[in-house]
Amino acid sequence: EAGVTQFPSHSVIEKGQTVTLRCDPISGHDNLYWYRRVMGKEIKFLLHFVKESKQDESGMPNNRFLAERTGGTYSTLKVQPAELEDSGVYFCASRGGETEAFFGQGTRLTVV
Amino acid sequence: LAKTTQPISMDSYEGQEVNITCSHNNIATNDYITWYQQFPSQGPRFIIQGYKTKVTNEVASLFIPADRKSSTLSLPRVSLSDTAVYYCLVGDRGTGFQKLVFGTGTRLLVSP
Repeated sequence: EAGVTQFPSHSVIEKGQTVTLRCDPISGHDNLYWYRRVMGKEIKFLLHFVKESKQDESGMPNNRFLAERTGGTYSTLKVQPAELEDSGVYFCASRGGETEAFFGQGTRLTVV
Repeated sequence: LAKTTQPISMDSYEGQEVNITCSHNNIATNDYITWYQQFPSQGPRFIIQGYKTKVTNEVASLFIPADRKSSTLSLPRVSLSDTAVYYCLVGDRGTGFQKLVFGTGTRLLVSP
């Protein structure tokens, strides 16, 4: 069974540009989460999808961040325009029922 | 969500047993205790989950006293590959785990 996969693994963009991160959850998992860790900080929750619906987006830092999950399969997280403080590692996780969450490898985003 | 406190770092040697204790004084009746492991450049990985007494799997044991205000993750005979950050999380499997709250974690370093 394939795990949670994230693309790209690394991204370096200039301030003001747009970046789109993608997450493919484990097949059949209705719950999909985005987390991030910025430099020196703890891993923080961003938002939670149940199928294609946003269940909780209380962790989204501002309106420069847009997450979608069309069709309830893969999800994208777009940052537009990117700022320096957006640099960090973005993790996606998926969960089925009440089982544990499975995390992807993360996308390391560097904004210069 | 209950706050957790754990040591920032621990050192050990190969072959030793490592016990990492986590305090969660405000744990609620419905809360479970879950431990995740994270290697560099990877996402967190589920290790073990429990509610009370003792839980054991092929990787670790989890000891939870009767008052449930703390828990101890026990790693038997650690190897160099167990060097990682270990996170203790507390939440209701039905609702709290919708949004995992990561603390600072315990950075375990295993030396030869």
